[in-house]
Amino acid sequence: NAGVTQTPKFRVLKTGQSMTLLCAQDMNHEYMYWYRQDPGMGLRLIHYSVGEGTTAKGEVPDGYNVSRLKKQNFLLGLESAAPSQTSVYFCASSSGLAGVRTGELFFGEGSRLTVL
Amino acid sequence: GENVEQHPSTLSVQEGDSAVIKCTYSDSASNYFPWYKQELGKGPQLIIDIRSNVGEKKDQRIAVTLNKTAKHFSLHITETQPEDSAVYFCAASIEAAGNKLTFGGGTRVLVKP
Repeated sequence: NAGVTQTPKFRVLKTGQSMTLLCAQDMNHEYMYWYRQDPGMGLRLIHYSVGEGTTAKGEVPDGYNVSRLKKQNFLLGLESAAPSQTSVYFCASSSGLAGVRTGELFFGEGSRLTVL
Repeated sequence: GENVEQHPSTLSVQEGDSAVIKCTYSDSASNYFPWYKQELGKGPQLIIDIRSNVGEKKDQRIAVTLNKTAKHFSLHITETQPEDSAVYFCAASIEAAGNKLTFGGGTRVLVKP
């Protein structure tokens, strides 16, 4: 059981290039999230999804787009990368089942992105 | 939106001593307060959580307390061990609203043998 898998784990981009981070979960979770982690700032929510075909903005959505075409996958796209997007990106998922009082997020191992 | 502040940012303790990390939150509607532990090179992992209908919860050497009136909550680790060395994050959310967690800035805990 893999849990939450992120690809790629490392990537170096030049300013203006585009790329997509892929997140896959095998736990049949409804909710999925993309966070970025920067030193001293904890994890900040970029975008999230409460089900297949839905997406919503989080705290820091500018410069990113997402898609959730399949329940198990959540893609994070950078259309024109900027140095300010240098960060470690974490995908997470949670059950989200109605009536189930579980708030636990399951995180992937992170994707380190450097924009030169 | 919610704002979570966490202190201290770094904490060094001797093995066997206790460690305490404190967080405050701003949104009185928040009702779910988890704590995550992040080891080097890995994603955060839930270690304990507390909901607004209780004031304290324990799990072996770990305990959390919540003061809803003052809008603060704390993590207590007793009898610390070297494997407790990690970065700890507190978070807050309104559990029914998509479970969007707002995280504190993190505390790097170092347990010295």
